[in-house]
Amino acid sequence: RKEVEQDPGPFNVPEGATVAFNCTYSNSASQSFFWYRQDCRKEPKLLMSVYSSGNEDGRFTAQLNRASQYISLLIRDSKLSDSATYLCVVNGEMNRDDKIIFGKGTRLHILP
Amino acid sequence: EAGVAQSPRYKIIEKRQSVAFWCNPISGHATLYWYQQILGQGPKLLIQFQNNGVVDDSQLPKDRFSAERLKGVDSTLKIQPAKLEDSAVYLCASSLVTGELFFGEGSRLTVL
Repeated sequence: RKEVEQDPGPFNVPEGATVAFNCTYSNSASQSFFWYRQDCRKEPKLLMSVYSSGNEDGRFTAQLNRASQYISLLIRDSKLSDSATYLCVVNGEMNRDDKIIFGKGTRLHILP
Repeated sequence: EAGVAQSPRYKIIEKRQSVAFWCNPISGHATLYWYQQILGQGPKLLIQFQNNGVVDDSQLPKDRFSAERLKGVDSTLKIQPAKLEDSAVYLCASSLVTGELFFGEGSRLTVL
């Protein structure tokens, strides 16, 4: 099983729809979790952290399920500008709480 | 606040030649990372520095790649000799808080 696994997509979604991505991680010792966004030919940028209780930032909601070892990102009322690659990031493993692992990313295309 | 600076933005070389990339992190960020991102994949960690000490270089191909961070500020990543499969974007990132990385725009390397 890969350390951090994401569905590569692409997800082609009409504007205004709701879309959800999942990301699974293999190490139960992982301690913190993030979603990054990467636009085409640009650098990744932090979108949001993922807290145990779940968190929401406008149209974006992140959830953590420790028992099943996955995190999710929900985007409501999607906009054309949401088109990007979304990278799941997991931090922490046994004896290395600062080890950061990126998933390969999920590509999202919002269709007009 | 100035972001992470990288240079050069683009570099084209022939295989077996050498190349060097430079990174200046955000002021005050003790942790500096070099990532390699091949098209269609997530960033892969090459090396992580904490101040001027190496924390993790387990995925750095040490027969051809080297990196240093003298004085705990800026850093250079060198490839010598380059191979075709080294064609990628080399991303430098820095962080103050574990998991919240700030990336530079990247250095795009093409090896012919």
